[in-house]
Amino acid sequence: DAGVIQSPRHEVTEMGQEVTLRCKPISGHDYLFWYRQTMMRGLELLIYFNNNVPIDDSGMPEDRFSAKMPNASFSTLKIQPSEPRDSAVYFCASSSAAGLAGSLGGVEQYFGPGTRLTVT
Amino acid sequence: RKEVEQDPGPFNVPEGATVAFNCTYSNSASQSFFWYRQDCRKEPKLLMSVYSSGNEDGRFTAQLNRASQYISLLIRDSKLSDSATYLCVVAGPYDYKLSFGAGTTVTVRA
Repeated sequence: DAGVIQSPRHEVTEMGQEVTLRCKPISGHDYLFWYRQTMMRGLELLIYFNNNVPIDDSGMPEDRFSAKMPNASFSTLKIQPSEPRDSAVYFCASSSAAGLAGSLGGVEQYFGPGTRLTVT
Repeated sequence: RKEVEQDPGPFNVPEGATVAFNCTYSNSASQSFFWYRQDCRKEPKLLMSVYSSGNEDGRFTAQLNRASQYISLLIRDSKLSDSATYLCVVAGPYDYKLSFGAGTTVTVRA
């Protein structure tokens, strides 16, 4: 049973280069989330999609960041141009609205293994 | 002010000990509460949901205090494998966005 899949697992790039991170959510999940984690700021939500439509991108730090979800099984997070301060672990997570109905505790999000990005 | 605040620790405890820690949240309208566990260089994974009446899952007990807006996690009979960072997570009513605390690090020593 495949979980959330992310690629690449590690990315090292030079400042100014374009970086594309990829995510395949769990089949049947209708919500997809992109997070960034650093020691200084912890885990931050960047953007999330519902049924491939961006719902809230208020966490996207600036115009250099963009995210797309062309279909239910694929999403990308792009940084162009990249800067050293973008170095972080980027996680993709997915969840299902079906888990909310009747639940007392809300909806579990399933995280991918993350992409460790280093911008030099 | 951060939405979710946690004592970062670390809590260093011997095997078999009990360890407990809290987190506080700022949004009184929050309705869903969780503890996630994150191992070093791994992704966060759900440990347990936190219900209003409090709940237990094996050696783990979670409590919610809505009046004071805090959530607690207690680990009994600590195992070496419990060493991890524990993330306090909060969401609003039917809100698919989760707000994560910075995490509390627990190290269980032999």
